[in-house]
Amino acid sequence: AQKITQTQPGMFVQEKEAVTLDCTYDTSDPSYGLFWYKQPSSGEMIFLIYQGSYDQQNATEGRYSLNFQKARKSANLVISASQLGDSAMYFCAMREGLYHSQLIWGAGTKLIIKP
Amino acid sequence: GAGVSQSPSNKVTEKGKDVELRCDPISGHTALYWYRQSLGQGLEFLIYFQGNSAPDKSGLPSDRFSAERTGGSVSTLTIQRTQQEDSAVYLCASSPSRSMVQPQHFGDGTRLSIL
Repeated sequence: AQKITQTQPGMFVQEKEAVTLDCTYDTSDPSYGLFWYKQPSSGEMIFLIYQGSYDQQNATEGRYSLNFQKARKSANLVISASQLGDSAMYFCAMREGLYHSQLIWGAGTKLIIKP
Repeated sequence: GAGVSQSPSNKVTEKGKDVELRCDPISGHTALYWYRQSLGQGLEFLIYFQGNSAPDKSGLPSDRFSAERTGGSVSTLTIQRTQQEDSAVYLCASSPSRSMVQPQHFGDGTRLSIL
């Protein structure tokens, strides 16, 4: 079974609009962390935001926020006031428990911002 | 530079040859990870090093793949008798510790093409 599911292979959004990128996860471990990364066409992987399973509040980082719904096992990324430079692949990833350090990755969502 | 450095950035080789990929992590980072990314896909975990502990090799796809980390710093990923399915971008990441909350910082990757 997929541990990280990103159901949107691609999205087009008008510049300045907000965009939500979906991510659902599957784990039986009560301790886990969720990460979002951005990968522009140049290829580098850029860390955006982190949410821990025990965090009481949704994470925010500038224009990025994470809509964390623990009961639904969803961790959607919200980008406010999108910019042309936001066009990239976006990956959701999870780290499970205290004894596994590698990240488990979703297949990604290709976001294109239209001027 | 202060980031994760990988070399070479591109490698083209013939099927059956051995290749070595190098990763120089951020200074002071004790955790080092290797991932593989096939075209249009998410990342696949390969191997993880943490300090002087035995590496987690659970993601290596076959015994043709091996990695070492010398002196707790530079790491080399070796692929022996390369096959065409080994063609991918190989990404290295490092983090300050194995703590769940620490994001992994990525290098720009080595694009490996097997002819």
